[in-house]
Amino acid sequence: SAVISQKPSRDICQRGTSLTIQCQVDSQVTMMFWYRQQPGQSLTLIATANQGSEATYESGFVIDKFPISRPNLTFSTLTVSNMSPEDSSIYLCSVVGVQETQYFGPGTRLLVL
Amino acid sequence: AQTVTQSQPEMSVQEAETVTLSCTYDTSESDYYLFWYKQPPSRQMILVIRQEAYKQQNATENRFSVNFQKAAKSFSLKISDSQLGDAAMYFCAYQESDKLIFGTGTRLQVFP
Repeated sequence: SAVISQKPSRDICQRGTSLTIQCQVDSQVTMMFWYRQQPGQSLTLIATANQGSEATYESGFVIDKFPISRPNLTFSTLTVSNMSPEDSSIYLCSVVGVQETQYFGPGTRLLVL
Repeated sequence: AQTVTQSQPEMSVQEAETVTLSCTYDTSESDYYLFWYKQPPSRQMILVIRQEAYKQQNATENRFSVNFQKAAKSFSLKISDSQLGDAAMYFCAYQESDKLIFGTGTRLQVFP
Protein backbone atom coordinates (compact mmCIF):
# COMPACT_ATOMS: atom_id res chain seq x y z
CA SER A 1 0.00 0.00 0.00
CA ALA A 2 1.06 3.62 -0.51
CA VAL A 3 2.85 5.51 2.24
CA ILE A 4 0.82 8.56 3.20
CA SER A 5 2.02 11.43 5.36
CA GLN A 6 0.19 14.43 6.73
CA LYS A 7 1.43 17.74 8.08
CA PRO A 8 0.96 18.97 10.71
CA SER A 9 0.21 16.00 12.90
CA ARG A 10 -1.55 18.26 15.37
CA ASP A 11 -2.16 21.93 15.98
CA ILE A 12 -3.88 24.30 18.36
CA CYS A 13 -5.40 27.31 16.65
CA GLN A 14 -7.26 30.43 17.61
CA ARG A 15 -10.82 31.10 16.61
CA GLY A 16 -11.12 32.98 13.30
CA THR A 17 -7.83 31.79 11.85
CA SER A 18 -7.20 29.26 9.07
CA LEU A 19 -5.07 26.13 8.93
CA THR A 20 -3.80 24.30 5.86
CA ILE A 21 -3.22 20.57 6.14
CA GLN A 22 -0.96 18.79 3.69
CA CYS A 23 -1.26 15.22 2.45
CA GLN A 24 1.66 13.62 0.60
CA VAL A 25 1.68 10.18 -1.03
CA ASP A 26 4.80 8.32 -2.09
CA SER A 27 3.27 7.21 -5.40
CA GLN A 28 0.84 8.60 -7.93
CA VAL A 29 -2.78 7.93 -7.08
CA THR A 30 -5.92 8.80 -8.96
CA MET A 31 -8.35 9.22 -6.09
CA MET A 32 -7.74 11.23 -2.93
CA PHE A 33 -10.27 12.08 -0.25
CA TRP A 34 -10.52 14.23 2.86
CA TYR A 35 -12.45 13.08 5.94
CA ARG A 36 -13.36 14.66 9.24
CA GLN A 37 -13.69 12.80 12.52
CA GLN A 38 -15.29 14.87 15.23
CA PRO A 39 -14.57 13.90 18.86
CA GLY A 40 -16.08 10.53 19.70
CA GLN A 41 -17.62 10.23 16.24
CA SER A 42 -17.11 8.24 13.08
CA LEU A 43 -15.52 9.50 9.87
CA THR A 44 -17.43 11.74 7.50
CA LEU A 45 -16.34 12.42 3.94
CA ILE A 46 -15.68 16.10 3.29
CA ALA A 47 -14.74 15.99 -0.39
CA THR A 48 -12.99 14.23 -3.21
CA ALA A 49 -9.79 16.03 -4.22
CA ASN A 50 -9.69 16.09 -8.01
CA GLN A 51 -6.41 16.63 -9.80
CA GLY A 52 -6.60 19.60 -12.14
CA SER A 53 -10.16 20.58 -11.26
CA GLU A 54 -12.30 21.74 -8.38
CA ALA A 55 -12.92 19.35 -5.53
CA THR A 56 -16.26 17.57 -5.23
CA TYR A 57 -17.89 18.37 -1.89
CA GLU A 58 -20.33 16.27 0.07
CA SER A 59 -23.56 17.64 1.44
CA GLY A 60 -22.93 19.96 4.35
CA PHE A 61 -19.41 20.97 3.26
CA VAL A 62 -18.63 24.01 1.12
CA ILE A 63 -15.59 25.27 -0.72
CA ASP A 64 -15.44 28.58 1.15
CA LYS A 65 -15.03 26.76 4.46
CA PHE A 66 -12.87 23.86 3.26
CA PRO A 67 -10.91 24.87 0.15
CA ILE A 68 -8.96 21.96 -1.32
CA SER A 69 -6.08 21.91 -3.77
CA ARG A 70 -4.75 18.96 -5.77
CA PRO A 71 -1.89 20.21 -7.94
CA ASN A 72 -0.62 16.74 -8.88
CA LEU A 73 -1.22 13.03 -8.34
CA THR A 74 0.82 12.80 -5.12
CA PHE A 75 -0.20 15.86 -3.12
CA SER A 76 -3.27 17.64 -1.77
CA THR A 77 -4.08 20.31 0.78
CA LEU A 78 -7.17 20.96 2.85
CA THR A 79 -7.67 24.37 4.44
CA VAL A 80 -10.00 24.84 7.38
CA SER A 81 -11.04 28.48 7.14
CA ASN A 82 -12.31 30.95 9.73
CA MET A 83 -12.15 28.27 12.39
CA SER A 84 -14.48 27.90 15.35
CA PRO A 85 -14.32 25.43 18.26
CA GLU A 86 -16.79 23.23 16.34
CA ASP A 87 -14.02 22.58 13.81
CA SER A 88 -11.97 20.75 16.44
CA SER A 89 -11.58 17.32 14.87
CA ILE A 90 -9.18 14.89 13.34
CA TYR A 91 -8.78 15.45 9.61
CA LEU A 92 -7.64 12.49 7.53
CA CYS A 93 -6.72 12.11 3.91
CA SER A 94 -7.08 8.83 2.10
CA VAL A 95 -6.12 7.37 -1.25
CA VAL A 96 -7.48 4.49 -3.27
CA GLY A 97 -4.91 1.76 -3.66
CA VAL A 98 -5.02 -1.75 -4.99
CA GLN A 99 -8.30 -3.62 -5.17
CA GLU A 100 -10.31 -0.43 -4.74
CA THR A 101 -9.24 -0.18 -1.12
CA GLN A 102 -8.80 3.14 0.69
CA TYR A 103 -5.71 3.72 2.80
CA PHE A 104 -5.52 6.53 5.28
CA GLY A 105 -2.92 9.00 6.37
CA PRO A 106 -2.06 9.32 10.06
CA GLY A 107 -4.45 12.23 10.54
CA THR A 108 -4.16 15.83 11.75
CA ARG A 109 -5.56 16.53 15.18
CA LEU A 110 -6.92 20.08 15.34
CA LEU A 111 -8.01 21.93 18.46
CA VAL A 112 -9.61 25.34 18.06
CA LEU A 113 -9.75 27.58 21.10
CA ALA B 1 -29.09 6.58 0.88
CA GLN B 2 -26.69 3.90 2.01
CA THR B 3 -26.31 3.47 5.76
CA VAL B 4 -24.06 1.38 7.96
CA THR B 5 -25.14 0.33 11.46
CA GLN B 6 -22.97 -0.98 14.25
CA SER B 7 -25.27 -1.82 17.13
CA GLN B 8 -22.56 -2.57 19.70
CA PRO B 9 -20.95 0.63 21.04
CA GLU B 10 -18.62 -1.42 23.23
CA MET B 11 -17.47 -5.02 23.44
CA SER B 12 -14.98 -6.80 25.65
CA VAL B 13 -13.10 -10.06 25.34
CA GLN B 14 -10.62 -12.05 27.35
CA GLU B 15 -7.18 -12.49 25.86
CA ALA B 16 -6.98 -15.63 23.67
CA GLU B 17 -10.77 -15.79 23.34
CA THR B 18 -12.94 -15.06 20.30
CA VAL B 19 -15.18 -12.06 19.79
CA THR B 20 -17.61 -11.09 17.02
CA LEU B 21 -18.44 -7.51 16.08
CA SER B 22 -21.69 -6.88 14.23
CA CYS B 23 -22.40 -4.67 11.25
CA THR B 24 -25.42 -4.27 9.02
CA TYR B 25 -25.84 -2.01 6.02
CA ASP B 26 -28.52 -0.85 3.69
CA THR B 27 -28.12 -0.57 -0.06
CA SER B 28 -30.00 -1.28 -3.24
CA GLU B 29 -26.80 -1.97 -5.15
CA SER B 30 -25.51 -5.42 -5.98
CA ASP B 31 -21.83 -4.60 -6.56
CA TYR B 32 -19.94 -2.98 -3.71
CA TYR B 33 -17.16 -3.49 -1.20
CA LEU B 34 -17.21 -3.82 2.57
CA PHE B 35 -14.36 -3.15 4.98
CA TRP B 36 -13.41 -3.32 8.59
CA TYR B 37 -10.95 -0.69 9.81
CA LYS B 38 -9.25 -0.55 13.17
CA GLN B 39 -8.43 2.73 14.91
CA PRO B 40 -6.11 2.37 17.92
CA PRO B 41 -5.46 5.28 20.31
CA SER B 42 -2.90 6.63 17.83
CA ARG B 43 -5.93 7.47 15.62
CA GLN B 44 -4.38 5.84 12.56
CA MET B 45 -7.04 4.09 10.47
CA ILE B 46 -5.76 0.61 9.70
CA LEU B 47 -7.38 -1.74 7.21
CA VAL B 48 -8.29 -5.04 8.84
CA ILE B 49 -10.16 -6.92 6.13
CA ARG B 50 -11.97 -6.41 2.85
CA GLN B 51 -14.92 -8.19 1.22
CA GLU B 52 -16.19 -7.94 -2.33
CA ALA B 53 -19.96 -8.29 -2.50
CA TYR B 54 -19.91 -10.52 -5.57
CA LYS B 55 -17.73 -13.08 -3.79
CA GLN B 56 -19.64 -15.60 -1.72
CA GLN B 57 -16.55 -16.79 0.09
CA ASN B 58 -15.93 -15.05 3.39
CA ALA B 59 -12.67 -13.11 3.59
CA THR B 60 -10.02 -14.10 6.11
CA GLU B 61 -6.80 -12.43 7.23
CA ASN B 62 -4.92 -14.47 9.80
CA ARG B 63 -6.93 -14.19 13.06
CA PHE B 64 -9.59 -12.00 11.44
CA SER B 65 -12.49 -13.35 9.43
CA VAL B 66 -15.88 -12.12 8.33
CA ASN B 67 -19.33 -13.61 8.10
CA PHE B 68 -20.82 -11.96 5.02
CA GLN B 69 -24.53 -12.53 4.53
CA LYS B 70 -25.46 -10.56 1.41
CA ALA B 71 -29.19 -11.22 1.50
CA ALA B 72 -29.37 -10.17 5.13
CA LYS B 73 -26.97 -7.26 4.47
CA SER B 74 -24.85 -8.35 7.38
CA PHE B 75 -21.06 -8.18 7.66
CA SER B 76 -19.71 -9.29 11.04
CA LEU B 77 -16.04 -9.46 12.05
CA LYS B 78 -14.69 -12.37 14.07
CA ILE B 79 -11.42 -11.96 15.93
CA SER B 80 -9.92 -15.24 17.09
CA ASP B 81 -7.23 -15.68 19.74
CA SER B 82 -7.67 -12.06 20.81
CA GLN B 83 -4.55 -10.16 21.77
CA LEU B 84 -4.04 -7.07 23.90
CA GLY B 85 -3.01 -5.21 20.76
CA ASP B 86 -6.45 -5.79 19.27
CA ALA B 87 -7.93 -3.23 21.66
CA ALA B 88 -9.17 -0.36 19.49
CA MET B 89 -12.19 1.20 17.83
CA TYR B 90 -13.44 -0.92 14.95
CA PHE B 91 -15.33 0.69 12.09
CA CYS B 92 -17.36 -1.14 9.49
CA ALA B 93 -17.49 0.64 6.14
CA TYR B 94 -19.44 0.31 2.91
CA GLN B 95 -17.91 1.46 -0.36
CA GLU B 96 -19.57 2.28 -3.63
CA SER B 97 -17.94 4.27 -6.41
CA ASP B 98 -14.88 4.87 -4.23
CA LYS B 99 -16.89 6.60 -1.48
CA LEU B 100 -16.72 5.12 1.98
CA ILE B 101 -19.62 5.29 4.42
CA PHE B 102 -18.68 4.38 7.97
CA GLY B 103 -20.63 2.94 10.86
CA THR B 104 -20.47 4.55 14.28
CA GLY B 105 -17.84 2.14 15.53
CA THR B 106 -17.42 -0.47 18.26
CA ARG B 107 -14.89 -0.02 21.02
CA LEU B 108 -13.20 -3.33 21.77
CA GLN B 109 -11.52 -3.90 25.11
CA VAL B 110 -9.24 -6.88 25.62
CA PHE B 111 -8.64 -8.09 29.15
CA PRO B 112 -5.57 -10.15 30.17
